[in-house]
Amino acid sequence: SQQGEEDPQALSIQEGENATMNCSYKTSINNLQWYRQNSGRGLVHLILIRSNEREKHSGRLRVTLDTSKKSSSLLITASRAADTASYFCASTGKETSGSRLTFGEGTQLTVNP
Amino acid sequence: DTEVTQTPKHLVMGMTNKKSLKCEQHMGHRAMYWYKQKAKKPPELMFVYSYEKLSINESVPSRFSPECPNSSLLNLHLHALQPEDSALYLCASSQYLGTSGLTDTQYFGPGTRLTVL
Repeated sequence: SQQGEEDPQALSIQEGENATMNCSYKTSINNLQWYRQNSGRGLVHLILIRSNEREKHSGRLRVTLDTSKKSSSLLITASRAADTASYFCASTGKETSGSRLTFGEGTQLTVNP
Repeated sequence: DTEVTQTPKHLVMGMTNKKSLKCEQHMGHRAMYWYKQKAKKPPELMFVYSYEKLSINESVPSRFSPECPNSSLLNLHLHALQPEDSALYLCASSQYLGTSGLTDTQYFGPGTRLTVL
């Protein structure tokens, strides 16, 4: 069963603007990952943040993790049309096998040129 | 090389057909996964193999039969499927099966779009 929730479900912005997506989870986690999926294609790993980390950067991506609120956010700065995709968070719970990712419902991001 | 390949890209089959999906990786990964994804939904885990042995079966119906012939290959054999089994089937691999609660990054293939008539 999926325990992650993401909001917004859909986000439409103009090129150059920043996009923020949020993810919440229900149980204690070991780490949380963000993936991107272009329409009908496989998932591409973007970034992993461990439970003892609060913020992580990778290029135009910034991920934060608040374990007290059981939430994470993904910020994409200076968005481009090529960033148009679905974005999923995926967590690994402390109580479950390290191989089992629990995905959020996803955010569909549209970046208009 | 961080590529996971899947064949075929598209598959249309009848409910009485037998077909197989194939997945291959040459990254030396020892954990491989099958996921099912319906439109506008997140992937759902089906099976996990670790060192060529089935480690997790998420109560998947027996009409789906996984096989791991060697450390680089993962198959999913399909038989007597239902129209509701139509979906994108994704294969993934990771360096190893997470231990001590640490998950390795999973690398996904492009998927096989399956349509069951």
